[in-house]
Amino acid sequence: KQEVTQIPAALSVPEGENLVLNCSFTDSAIYNLQWFRQDPGKGLTSLLLIQSSQREQTSGRLNASLDKSSGRSTLYIAASQPGDSATYLCAVSPLGSSYDKVIFGPGTSLSVIP
Amino acid sequence: DAGVIQSPRHEVTEMGQEVTLRCKPISGHNSLFWYRQTMMRGLELLIYFNNNVPIDDSGMPEDRFSAKMPNASFSTLKIQPSEPRDSAVYFCASSNPSSGQETQYFGPGTRLLVL
Repeated sequence: KQEVTQIPAALSVPEGENLVLNCSFTDSAIYNLQWFRQDPGKGLTSLLLIQSSQREQTSGRLNASLDKSSGRSTLYIAASQPGDSATYLCAVSPLGSSYDKVIFGPGTSLSVIP
Repeated sequence: DAGVIQSPRHEVTEMGQEVTLRCKPISGHNSLFWYRQTMMRGLELLIYFNNNVPIDDSGMPEDRFSAKMPNASFSTLKIQPSEPRDSAVYFCASSNPSSGQETQYFGPGTRLLVL
């Protein structure tokens, strides 16, 4: 059974710091892995999608990597800003079932201090 | 509670036809979200409601898509006319952020195939 964990559960950093959020999954048989941002009261915003054949994706100050063999993904945020404060979720779509059976991690709550 | 309920679970239709997807959120939840999932784009937010009011519909791909929430226990997502590229799994989710519960509970999804 696929399980997704995220470390740390919460993180507080001063503005301008680079930071890394971690996501681990137990079964490397996945279709893809997706990183989301969740702001209070709002829907999930997709940040980056990494297909199983890819190793990383970049968008602006965000870079996500995927290492299927070790069951890990990292989300790197460069030059953090207060507006980056949110909960970050990773989600995997496992192989062996339809790709839409998304399994979410518990999230990392990020606070960027001005 | 039965969780978020979506209907139909599967829908096959022909291009040009109108498609209506339905969602019943968890009782007491005041936020409702519609997502679309494809293999290539993953999960994407289409629109969400707070207290039955649409807050952000910037994810709705085109005017062919519309969503309504006439009351706290029912929402619809309509595609008219449907096109083959609309084929995807459509998820509805609900949450209750006013009580501090930001976790979104997803329904089982509606798998739509437009021929």
